[in-house]
Order: sequence, then C-alpha cells, then structure tokens
Amino acid sequence: QVQLQESGPGLVKPSETLSLTCAVSGYSISSGYYWGWIRQPPGKGLEWIGSMSHSGSTYYNPSLKSRVTISVDTSKNQFSLKLRSVTAADTAVYYCARRVVVATDWFDPWGQGTLVTVSS
Amino acid sequence: QSALTQPRSVSGSPGQSVTISCTGSSSDVGGYNYVSWYQQHPGKAPKLMIYDVSKRPSGVPDRFSGSKSGNTASLTISGLQAEDEADYYCCSYAGSNLVVFGGGTNLTVL
Repeated sequence: QVQLQESGPGLVKPSETLSLTCAVSGYSISSGYYWGWIRQPPGKGLEWIGSMSHSGSTYYNPSLKSRVTISVDTSKNQFSLKLRSVTAADTAVYYCARRVVVATDWFDPWGQGTLVTVSS
Repeated sequence: QSALTQPRSVSGSPGQSVTISCTGSSSDVGGYNYVSWYQQHPGKAPKLMIYDVSKRPSGVPDRFSGSKSGNTASLTISGLQAEDEADYYCCSYAGSNLVVFGGGTNLTVL
C-alpha cells in the first residue's frame, strides 16, 4: 500500500529556509493524484500548506504562498517543501499526505509527521 | 481563507451519540460536497474517517457518519467507545484547488 515518510532537519534558525522531503513508496507519484503538506503547531490545529499535482502544478495556502515552494523529484519518487524566512511561528509538526482529487477531495494516507523547531 | 469553525470540545458517555459541527461559508462547505473528517490521537498522524460529506473509507466503523446542511457539516459518532476519544478535524474544498481545515474538536468519552 502507499506509504509516506517525511525527513529533514529538526531545527532551523530564524530567517533561514526550512526544507523537508517526503519519500513515497508503493506508488509512483508521476502516475497521478496530488501530493501535499500540512502542518500542526504544538497544541494547535491543522493548517494546509500546499499541494502539487502529479504533473507539477502547484497550489498554495494564500497566507503562506509568498514563502512556500513545493517540488517533485520523480527519479527518487519524492516531493519536497521549502519554506523561506522562517520564524518561531513556523514551529510545527509537518505532515506530508496524498491528496485525492477529481470529483472528490481528501487526504490519505499521511506520513507520521516530523517536528521542526525554529530557534537560534 | 479563514479556518472552518468547530466547537473546541464535546463529550459523551460510552454508548451515547455525539455530533461535531463544522461551519464555513458558501465559498467552501456550502459550495461543494467535498468535506472530509479526520481523527487524530495524541502524537499520531490524522486518519481519514469521512470524505465527500458522508462516505466512509473501508475499515471505518459505521458508527461514524457525516452530513451537511447549508454552510455547516456535521460528524456524528454513535455508540461512543473509549477509543473514539481523540481530536477531530473537518476539511473542505474551497475552490481553485485550495482546501481549508477546521480548528479541531477534542472529544472526551466520559
């Protein structure tokens, strides 16, 4: 079955760029679906960051759009998140997930999540 | 794009039913039948429980059901069990390939 696994630094300094990767197994991301990122600050709710189609089209949360880039590496069957100019408010557990669209819209499965702390 | 509104907490006794509301606008919940619900236990990733307002993925107990009226979607859990104690989040399509989540509801089984 499809499985997703996030990886990346757990600590990022303020003003720097947060970079995470989501490795997908059990399905070729170039074959279909959308692939996305969702985050959850400690003790708070979920926030959609953005999604990318299998063909490379990207869609971002308007509140983060100026700082976010989602890209894909089909050779490694993984996709990535870059969030620029981070502050303490960007401290969160970051999840990657498959987004099923086309006459529907839902996220499943999800990765286990990775905590990123923004601190000097 | 504002977060959907959910009650901060709800509670119920084992065997009872509880309903969690999710209120948006005509631009999201009211405009599309693409509301999904996720269950999240502490320290775990969210799990899809309902999609397309009222459809259940394979493996989700039929105690979980969803509905929508106007700009408000609802998740009902009947026959509450201890393992249902968790946080629940709604999510809605908001047009132009955007989605928005609710603020989350903590369910306590008394």
